[in-house]
Amino acid sequence: QKEVEQDPGPLSVPEGAIVSLNCTYSNSAFQYFMWYRQYSRKGPELLMYTYSSGNKEDGRFTAQVDKSSKYISLFIRDSQPSDSATYLCAMSEGGGNKLTFGTGTQLKVEL
Amino acid sequence: GAVVSQHPSWVICKSGTSVKIECRSLDFQATTMFWYRQFPKQSLMLMATSNEGSKATYEQGVEKDKFLINHASLTLSTLTVTSAHPEDSSFYICSAGTANNYGYTFGSGTRLTVV
Repeated sequence: QKEVEQDPGPLSVPEGAIVSLNCTYSNSAFQYFMWYRQYSRKGPELLMYTYSSGNKEDGRFTAQVDKSSKYISLFIRDSQPSDSATYLCAMSEGGGNKLTFGTGTQLKVEL
Repeated sequence: GAVVSQHPSWVICKSGTSVKIECRSLDFQATTMFWYRQFPKQSLMLMATSNEGSKATYEQGVEKDKFLINHASLTLSTLTVTSAHPEDSSFYICSAGTANNYGYTFGSGTRLTVV
């Protein structure tokens, strides 16, 4: 069993839809949770990071962490074609520690 | 914001030669740098962690004599793929951060093709 599980997709949605991306994990020591966006042939770009359980909102993006269920989510509201990319969840046990990544979910937002 | 520059963005080399990839933090001092490898449609696989001034810590299964990592300053780390073979062809990405940084900044990646 992988430490971090993420559905690889692909996930295809119409423009304007609400997108829900999820990851589950098995390591209870993870404290910091991140979502990265990666366009083809580019390095990942940090979208959101949260500490422990709770919600965090930034513009059209909302990150949720439920440590009791070992489940994290990223919601994208009013999705745009420019949101089409691979979204990777990542986790670490502490600042300065290595990140453990999910496999990434490929998202396509269609006109 | 934090910027990490990675060069070259792509490189083609002959089998048996060595290739050096540079990763620079442009506007901050990176105490820790990570090197990843990514195969098509797969996630990032951590190869090694390097802290400035000390030896890199390699992940299990990564040959440290083949993938040489140097982190001589707080703004520069290099990955050298020695005696490259076609199976080393991949996308290599670095990331940099500080001890208090939880969301590391990534470079733009280097696509290595060994022919």
